[in-house]
Amino acid sequence: QVQLQESGPGLVKPSETLSLTCTVSGDSITDYYWTWIRQPPGKGLEWIGYASYSGTTNYNPSLKSRVTISVDTSKSQVSLKLTSVTAADTAVYYCTRGGGSFPPFVDHWGQGTLVTVSS
Amino acid sequence: DIMMAQSPDSLAVSLGERATISCKSSQSVLYSSNNKNYLAWFQQKPGQPPKLLIYWASTRASGVPDRFSGSGSGTEFTLTINRLQAVDVAVYYCQQYFITPHTFGQGTKLEIK
Repeated sequence: QVQLQESGPGLVKPSETLSLTCTVSGDSITDYYWTWIRQPPGKGLEWIGYASYSGTTNYNPSLKSRVTISVDTSKSQVSLKLTSVTAADTAVYYCTRGGGSFPPFVDHWGQGTLVTVSS
Repeated sequence: DIMMAQSPDSLAVSLGERATISCKSSQSVLYSSNNKNYLAWFQQKPGQPPKLLIYWASTRASGVPDRFSGSGSGTEFTLTINRLQAVDVAVYYCQQYFITPHTFGQGTKLEIK
């Protein structure tokens, strides 16, 4: 059974870069697409984008200029970087697995990690 | 972007009864080449990540009880929960994965009446 564990700073200052890592276990990182999704406190879900081990990426246009998702097969990790953050980027960030098709649908979720943007 | 609109925003249903949630997309998510609707449903309980219930609009994910069913095609979809149980209290989201960004509905909060 695949397990996804997000990690990273829980507090980021405005204008700085949010960096999160998702460690994948129980499955091959090369077989799937890996998607980040976020959820502001008390609100709905927002798709950030996905990446594959081969370097294929696709980002939400609303975030495209600020976001980078990458896959490190040697560490079995997926990373998310979001630059120039503001309070609007405060959210629970979920690492998810996309499988079964292309475009991928999300079939497994990590527990999520809350990132607060505040000085 | 494809806009996803769910209705109602919230509903209360008695135990043992049926709950029905609607999801409408601003454009079709049906791919004519394979006749598949790129539409998924998720369940999110308080303090938990969402869980996949349905994909391809009507295929139940592994381990999902057959009380849950999905239907619809093109731009209109429905999630039906039969014989409602207390454990079904949650927020339900639809999502299209046909065209990026893969957008979600705003969510429907299901409670027990």
